Amino acid sequence: DADVTQTPRNRITKTGKRIMLECSQTKGHDRMYWYRQDPGLGLRLIYYSFDVKDINKGEISDGYSVSRQAQAKFSLSLESAIPNQTALYFCATSDRGQGFWETQYFGPGTRLLVL
Amino acid sequence: AQKITQTQPGMFVQEKEAVTLDCTYDTSDPSYGLFWYKQPSSGEMIFLIYQGSYDQQNATEGRYSLNFQKARKSANLVISASQLGDSAMYFCAMRESYSGAGSYQLTFGKGTKLSVIP
Repeated sequence: DADVTQTPRNRITKTGKRIMLECSQTKGHDRMYWYRQDPGLGLRLIYYSFDVKDINKGEISDGYSVSRQAQAKFSLSLESAIPNQTALYFCATSDRGQGFWETQYFGPGTRLLVL
Repeated sequence: AQKITQTQPGMFVQEKEAVTLDCTYDTSDPSYGLFWYKQPSSGEMIFLIYQGSYDQQNATEGRYSLNFQKARKSANLVISASQLGDSAMYFCAMRESYSGAGSYQLTFGKGTKLSVIP
């Protein structure tokens, strides 16, 4: 089984709808992240969480919110989806205990299309 | 200014040959980490290899090695004996400031698309 899972894997929604993307991990990592990927722009950080009570905005948080329900679960919500939020969304995790070698491991991604 | 630059939008390599994917970075932080990820057409991001700024030797992981030239601020990925399954997008990324507020941040380049020819 995959260490980092994302649901759904694909989603089509309409402008103005609220949607939630979910991420679960079995790696036992304390840190979790949400990124989006747009063609030609690489990955950009939306939100990150160092533990259940520590949630922070990333580079492009406008229009998004998150919830860290447990150490293993981190959800991303689009309160009112708009077409330019069409992208590939990734969840990632890392272990602070790795120290200098801390590496982020990514889930399989969710392809979101906003019509 | 871009912190991670990958100058090769696309590369072709013959199967079984070696290929080098270029990555240059920009930071004034003495403590940083460099990463390479592979993204096949299926979309997932797969961690390949890591190099720390204080590491004396170049990192290696199987057929992947990282040619780290600190003075030139380059961290090129070398794939030896290319296989058809190596066809994918490859992203270079950097984490600055291990300690402190920036320790979480991964900055990605725009990627290089590698195509392996039979």
